[in-house]
Amino acid sequence: SAVISQKPSRDICQRGTSLTIQCQVDSQVTMMFWYRQQPGQSLTLIATANQGSEATYESGFVIDKFPISRPNLTFSTLTVSNMSPEDSSIYLCSVGQGNTIYFGEGSWLTVV
Amino acid sequence: GQQVMQIPQYQHVQEGEDFTTYCNSSTTLSNIQWYKQRPGGHPVFLIQLVKSGEVKKQKRLTFQFGEAKKNSSLHITATQTTDVGTYFCAGMAGNKLVFGAGTILRVKS
Repeated sequence: SAVISQKPSRDICQRGTSLTIQCQVDSQVTMMFWYRQQPGQSLTLIATANQGSEATYESGFVIDKFPISRPNLTFSTLTVSNMSPEDSSIYLCSVGQGNTIYFGEGSWLTVV
Repeated sequence: GQQVMQIPQYQHVQEGEDFTTYCNSSTTLSNIQWYKQRPGGHPVFLIQLVKSGEVKKQKRLTFQFGEAKKNSSLHITATQTTDVGTYFCAGMAGNKLVFGAGTILRVKS
């Protein structure tokens, strides 16, 4: 399986600020996804990061709040904009290989 | 939209007892995947089931996929303290993976 690295691994953020999370994969992958896991909850798909085009967002998630970049087949970023305490979550980058999804170690964000 | 229901939400067992978590989908799935998330960790892929009625084993873990490809189960025989964590099922419909709510397993030694 691909090795997925995420930065930052943890951060404490001030309300109203924005933070960009980076995801680096050690091999070229077609499918990259961003998930959110709120405290004590399951995983929710935010969007599919498409290389060379705009991300595909799931219901309830919008580009203005969660802009995503995918400049090549090994890298993506997710920005959480204008953060509020409700954005405190784990944000997980994941890649699809075959029909299986593999996750990075996640970025644990706390908004104060 | 597609929903994946998982029960129970929480189970606390004595070490050595068995444990089972169940997953049901509102639609037919092309495959189902199981993940384990340790406290403080990220989800780790365990297995994928594709065929109707498929049964797979990994040591003390047994995974089943229903005949209608709408339900699945994970059974752990003789739990150990290393089994603690949250177990998620995730169903693939189209190219999207939808996660169940997860079952939290605690093992008392």
